[in-house]
Amino acid sequence: GEDVEQSLFLSVREGDSSVINCTYTDSSSTYLYWYKQEPGAGLQLLTYIFSNMDMKQDQRLTVLLNKKDKHLSLRIADTQTGDSAIYFCAGAQQTGANNLFFGTGTRLTVIP
Amino acid sequence: NAGVMQNPRHLVRRRGQEARLRCSPMKGHSHVYWYRQLPEEGLKFMVYLQKENIIDESGMPKERFSAEFPKEGPSILRIQQVVRGDSAAYFCASSPLGRREGPRSGNTIYFGEGSWLTVV
Repeated sequence: GEDVEQSLFLSVREGDSSVINCTYTDSSSTYLYWYKQEPGAGLQLLTYIFSNMDMKQDQRLTVLLNKKDKHLSLRIADTQTGDSAIYFCAGAQQTGANNLFFGTGTRLTVIP
Repeated sequence: NAGVMQNPRHLVRRRGQEARLRCSPMKGHSHVYWYRQLPEEGLKFMVYLQKENIIDESGMPKERFSAEFPKEGPSILRIQQVVRGDSAAYFCASSPLGRREGPRSGNTIYFGEGSWLTVV
């Protein structure tokens, strides 16, 4: 199976940009996803990127994919206190776009 | 259109009891997935089901765990003779198409809010 790694914690000040990083091992991953989990809640799909793309922008969110280094990042512009949550990176294998492998999650804390 | 509904949201069981977790997929979705999240860890795949069929149970523990998705009614994840190590959040997800298709085919996977099992 695939390994997906993320740093565990990130703190930023309100209004700054946040960058959450993720590395994965399976170069055949067709899709890479970012999910947000608020305390005691389920996972909310934030955005995804297809493997033949380098970048995807969606309002305050920018996803960058470096296939050569197997590195994925999520940038949140103008971070707000409501963005405080755990962010999971997930990869999907060629055998199943919805066969997801999750990282351990990065806990983002936004300081007012 | 209600999302993926899971119940109970919180369940406490004593060691040796049985836990049953239910999942109703989104309307129109016939593919269901169960994931487990242990404390301080990411989600791990357990099982993938279609109506009346288990397609992939490669992530299920070999003993005590079973899953079903009957023709009528919700999907059930059943854990027999629970132990403390079963304490976790169990997430159900559903999608309209099979696992092979991704979001570009309109096949986004949606997660429920989870069922938190505590074994005492």
